[in-house]
Order: sequence, then structure tokens, then C-alpha cells
Amino acid sequence: RKEVEQDPGPFNVPEGATVAFNCTYSNSASQSFFWYRQDCRKEPKLLMSVYSSGNEDGRFTAQLNRASQYISLLIRDSKLSDSATYLCVVNTNENNNDMRFGAGTRLTVKP
Amino acid sequence: DAGVTQSPTHLIKTRGQQVTLRCSPKSGHDTVSWYQQALGQGPQFIFQYYEEEERQRGNFPDRFSGHQFPNYSSELNVNALLLGDSALYLCASSFLTGNEKLFFGSGTQLSVL
Repeated sequence: RKEVEQDPGPFNVPEGATVAFNCTYSNSASQSFFWYRQDCRKEPKLLMSVYSSGNEDGRFTAQLNRASQYISLLIRDSKLSDSATYLCVVNTNENNNDMRFGAGTRLTVKP
Repeated sequence: DAGVTQSPTHLIKTRGQQVTLRCSPKSGHDTVSWYQQALGQGPQFIFQYYEEEERQRGNFPDRFSGHQFPNYSSELNVNALLLGDSALYLCASSFLTGNEKLFFGSGTQLSVL
């Protein structure tokens, strides 16, 4: 089983749509979680951290379910500029910031 | 304040050759992690360096080795290159402990022919 698994995608949605990505992780001792965004052949950049209570940043909402070892990202009112690959990232050990990445889910928002 | 810088940006090698990639971390960061990203895949953890020592290692063969210098910059060396080593190699810097986000360089695109 992979350490971090994501929806395979790709997701093709119209502008204004709501889209959700899911991610599961295998290491129950994992302590912190993130969503990164990666544009084509560019470096990944942090989109948002994921907290147990859930957190929101504008049109983006992240949720964490520790019992199910499940993370989600919801994007509301999709924009063309949201087209990218979204990477689920799990820090398996905060003592040495051991970040493990999912394979990513590609999103294309169309006019 | 310079971010993470990597060199070279692109590299073409042939099978069996050796390659060295370089990374300078973001100012103030003490930890460098290297990732390999094949086309259509997420970044795969190679290893992490702190205080000039390899702290941990992913599932990569000994052909992959590294080094960290006193100024925290780092090198990734790959010996006996295989076609399958073709990928984007990403360097990320951070502090070692705590819930600190990774800052990535723009990567080195390695093509092995």
C-alpha cells in the first residue's frame, strides 16, 4: 500500500464548478498534513495546511479525518487559474519533517 | 532574500554516466531534502540532509548519494545512470523540526539517453 494515495483524476470541470479531491494515508502516526499545488513542470508550492478542525482559505476548504486517515480538499467556484496538479502531502515525523507526497490529481478548469 | 536555487536547470546524460546536481537552501534553513519526480507522478523522497549528515533515506539504491556542506548547500550525485533515472529532481529546504513547510527549488530536469 502506498504511503499517500489520491484520486487518480484527471478532473475536467467548467468554470464555477465545485470540485473535491480525496487523499488517504497509511501511517497512523502522521502528524501534519498539507495540500500543495504544482503547475506544469514547475515546483510544488504550498496551498494550505490541513488542521483537525478543518480550515478554509477563500474558495478552498481542507478537512482531516484522523480516524479514517483521510484528507480532502474542496474548491468552490472554480477559476481557470485553478488548473494545476494538487498534491496531498503527509508529514510522517515532525522530528525531522519527513514529508511524503501523493501522486497528485490533475485539475483542468474549462471556460 | 533568495529562495531555494538549483543548478543546472536541464541536463542530458547517457546511460552509465555520473551526474551531480546542486542546491542552495532558502536563507536560514538548515535542512535539505531531495525528491525525484517522474512524469505524471508525485515527488518521491530520496534523502534528507541536516548538519552535513544523511538523516533519513527513501527507497533509492546506493547509486544515489549526497552531501551537505557547512553553508547548508547540498549536492545529489547519481552514478551509473539508467534510462529510468530521467526525471525532475527537486530540492526542498526547511527547518529540521516542527511543522515547517517545504520550500522547493525549480528543479533540475535530467534526461538520460
